[in-house]
Amino acid sequence: DTEVTQTPKHLVMGMTNKKSLKCEQHMGHRAMYWYKQKAKKPPELMFVYSYEKLSINESVPSRFSPECPNSSLLNLHLHALQPEDSALYLCASSEPGLESDTQYFGPGTRLTVL
Amino acid sequence: TQLLEQSPQFLSIQEGENLTVYCNSSSVFSSLQWYRQEPGEGPVLLVTVVTGGEVKKLKRLTFQFGDARKDSSLHITAAQPGDTGLYLCAGARNAGNMLTFGGGTRLMVKP
Repeated sequence: DTEVTQTPKHLVMGMTNKKSLKCEQHMGHRAMYWYKQKAKKPPELMFVYSYEKLSINESVPSRFSPECPNSSLLNLHLHALQPEDSALYLCASSEPGLESDTQYFGPGTRLTVL
Repeated sequence: TQLLEQSPQFLSIQEGENLTVYCNSSSVFSSLQWYRQEPGEGPVLLVTVVTGGEVKKLKRLTFQFGDARKDSSLHITAAQPGDTGLYLCAGARNAGNMLTFGGGTRLMVKP
């Protein structure tokens, strides 16, 4: 099973709202990732969790707050977002050292900030 | 940050034609992944290549990793409308968990 699930599929929020994106994988992978993808562009890395600890933060604004409750779950908490934050948010997972760290992506959450 | 240049950016062809997509870099990668992505969906893994000179086939798709592990190609034989999508190459380095993505190739196969 190489499935990564993400909820919700679509999210519309105002600039004053607080919402969360959720990601789950059951492949036993110990690295999980958040990416942001704008239209017609490749994914841009936001955060990396390795063994449930934040290992990489690509200078992401504090209005995005990641959380890794356990090895199979990854959340992205959103607060006071801007319209330019509208994008497809992708979660991915990999097993360090296995399959050359191949990353498996979820279906994404389409976020619209009004 | 190393660059991974992908070409062409856009390709529109007729059903039945062959095509090749290239990814080139001046940096060495420990592995390279190819993904296909449809609008509004996440990238789906097609293949991972690891060994320099490696060739992998997936039905009508042939993937090659350069001998020096700096470049890769994807060749599609007899393209079909179902091949339409965004093709992404992504290289991994030994250190850390970061992927370097190419800019993507948007393929449209017309019936």
